[in-house]
Amino acid sequence: GAGVSQSPRYKVAKRGQDVALRCDPISGHVSLFWYQQALGQGPEFLTYFQNEAQLDKSGLPSDRFFAERPEGSVSTLKIQRTQQEDSAVYLCASSPGEGGSEKLFFGSGTQLSVL
Amino acid sequence: DAKTTQPPSMDCAEGRAANLPCNHSTISGNEYVYWYRQIHSQGPQYIIHGLKNNETNEMASLIITEDRKSSTLILPHATLRDTAVYYCIVRAKYNTDKLIFGTGTRLQVFP
Repeated sequence: GAGVSQSPRYKVAKRGQDVALRCDPISGHVSLFWYQQALGQGPEFLTYFQNEAQLDKSGLPSDRFFAERPEGSVSTLKIQRTQQEDSAVYLCASSPGEGGSEKLFFGSGTQLSVL
Repeated sequence: DAKTTQPPSMDCAEGRAANLPCNHSTISGNEYVYWYRQIHSQGPQYIIHGLKNNETNEMASLIITEDRKSSTLILPHATLRDTAVYYCIVRAKYNTDKLIFGTGTRLQVFP
């Protein structure tokens, strides 16, 4: 595709529900990142994949957060038993090389609202 | 990665140059200066990066001081569409670690 695509664009969940957020990176991009952005703040790192390998998950806030990229392309971020504090924009980014060494290409994000 | 300091907000008149400063006094010799911006409701967008020489592309110019402790991003003719949050980030170019964002500078371009 022309850019990084994320779906859904908006998600409203009741507290306690599970949600799944999808990211389609630019075709052929090796690296994929997930970030969480609270209102008025800069993006905060969650996790990083190099192809299908999850090399860094140090930013995941709790064990309710889980990410996967089984075939090294599409990635899914899953949040179990959502809480109000999970409300944020979830951004996905990809880059052609390893890590964030060159420029990252970001999607428009999924805005999650937990009621 | 070295830490950066940016003013929280700035204003600029449409058509004038917008000069966004960034301090990075602890920058290491192998660290580059990267700039991204985030327009409302969009993901961050790469603008430019540089090591020690001034850089220019179709979006902006980057001026890095000789001691590399600070830099300025210049938008030569700001438009209303340049209203965004601008992030200055320093990191080693071949650092495969994650990109760490601060809180950036909110640039408001007014008519």
